[in-house]
Amino acid sequence: GAGVSQSPSNKVTEKGKDVELRCDPISGHTALYWYRQSLGQGLEFLIYFQGNSAPDKSGLPSDRFSAERTGGSVSTLTIQRTQQEDSAVYLCASSTTANTEAFFGQGTRLTVV
Amino acid sequence: KQEVTQIPAALSVPEGENLVLNCSFTDSAIYNLQWFRQDPGKGLTSLLLIQSSQREQTSGRLNASLDKSSGRSTLYIAASQPGDSATYLCAVRGRNTDKLIFGTGTRLQVFP
Repeated sequence: GAGVSQSPSNKVTEKGKDVELRCDPISGHTALYWYRQSLGQGLEFLIYFQGNSAPDKSGLPSDRFSAERTGGSVSTLTIQRTQQEDSAVYLCASSTTANTEAFFGQGTRLTVV
Repeated sequence: KQEVTQIPAALSVPEGENLVLNCSFTDSAIYNLQWFRQDPGKGLTSLLLIQSSQREQTSGRLNASLDKSSGRSTLYIAASQPGDSATYLCAVRGRNTDKLIFGTGTRLQVFP
């Protein structure tokens, strides 16, 4: 595709449910990042993929959060047993390699009620 | 630990003014620095990428400079327009990490 695509754009879920957020990077981009932006806050790093491997997952806030990437392309961020503090916009970015220009998707706004 | 600071946090100016947004970082061992804009409720749009070996980059009315040794970057916006209203974010990528570390942004409002 022309840009980074994220789905769904909005997700409302009940506390305690599991959710999956999807990111389709730009074709050919080997590096993929997940960030979280809470209301009025800056961007918080979650995890970085190089190909299908995640050399840096230091930003995942708890073991309820996990992510995978398959075929060096699509990535899924899974949040288990969602809590209200998980409410945020989840942003995905990709770049050709780890040190080139990063391009972001439009984000998934997650609301936990 | 790399920390990125942006000053001012907010700025409101009349149309036509030339603006300077500031970004500072604590660890000068960076690979590159990238400026983004974010419109309300939207994702981030890349504006300019400056490699550590470069001093500045230009795109249209935007000019970004980098002084790595002093840990500073500035984004200069010439002849501001209401359409420039957005939050501007800078992010650095360190040499010892592959992730981008973001500042908290400058919220810009340009009024007619």
